[in-house]
Amino acid sequence: EAQVTQNPRYLITVTGKKLTVTCSQNMNHEYMSWYRQDPGLGLRQIYYSMNVEVTDKGDVPEGYKVSRKEKRNFPLILESPSPNQTSLYFCASKPGLRFYEQYFGPGTRLTVT
Amino acid sequence: SQKIEQNSEALNIQEGKTATLTCNYTNYSPAYLQWYRQDPGRGPVFLLLIRENEKEKRKERLKVTFDTTLKQSLFHITASQPADSATYLCALFTGNQFYFGTGTSLTVIP
Repeated sequence: EAQVTQNPRYLITVTGKKLTVTCSQNMNHEYMSWYRQDPGLGLRQIYYSMNVEVTDKGDVPEGYKVSRKEKRNFPLILESPSPNQTSLYFCASKPGLRFYEQYFGPGTRLTVT
Repeated sequence: SQKIEQNSEALNIQEGKTATLTCNYTNYSPAYLQWYRQDPGRGPVFLLLIRENEKEKRKERLKVTFDTTLKQSLFHITASQPADSATYLCALFTGNQFYFGTGTSLTVIP
């Protein structure tokens, strides 16, 4: 089944403890992206990647890192999480810049205390 | 940066009527604009796309219009059903980045 998977789905952590949220897609998509969703602010793009080893900042990149060493994986790294990073995170992918439909993962609900 | 506004946070309509949702944007001319559906606790699901040189697109009971002069897109659901109840998001793509509106929560009342 074609899909985007994220792990973990739920995470409660403490301020400053490094964490990684994994994202994987099995559709051979070139474009991958991370979003956070907060009430009243909607979905905001954190980082995106147009292909392997190519990543760029989105609208809200502060406090996050990403890497794209393989086409299928696009992990999101929070090196020193803070409470303002408590949010619902989505990973998404699409075939390439010329193609339009984004496929979203199921989401990761992160709480930083 | 881009600013995208969806006309209302919540919209209630009677079953069988047409729901019309509005998306307005500023600052940039997008390559295309998309509409997504999001159910509680789930990721958004793509519905329709319209390019900057297109006026209207249709898919079954869904219709999207795009007015680049007004910087506005309208999303219509005709013959609405309770199963259409969800949050609808508009998103514009600038060529490499996506910008989303905050969404409109639609409730279709039987």
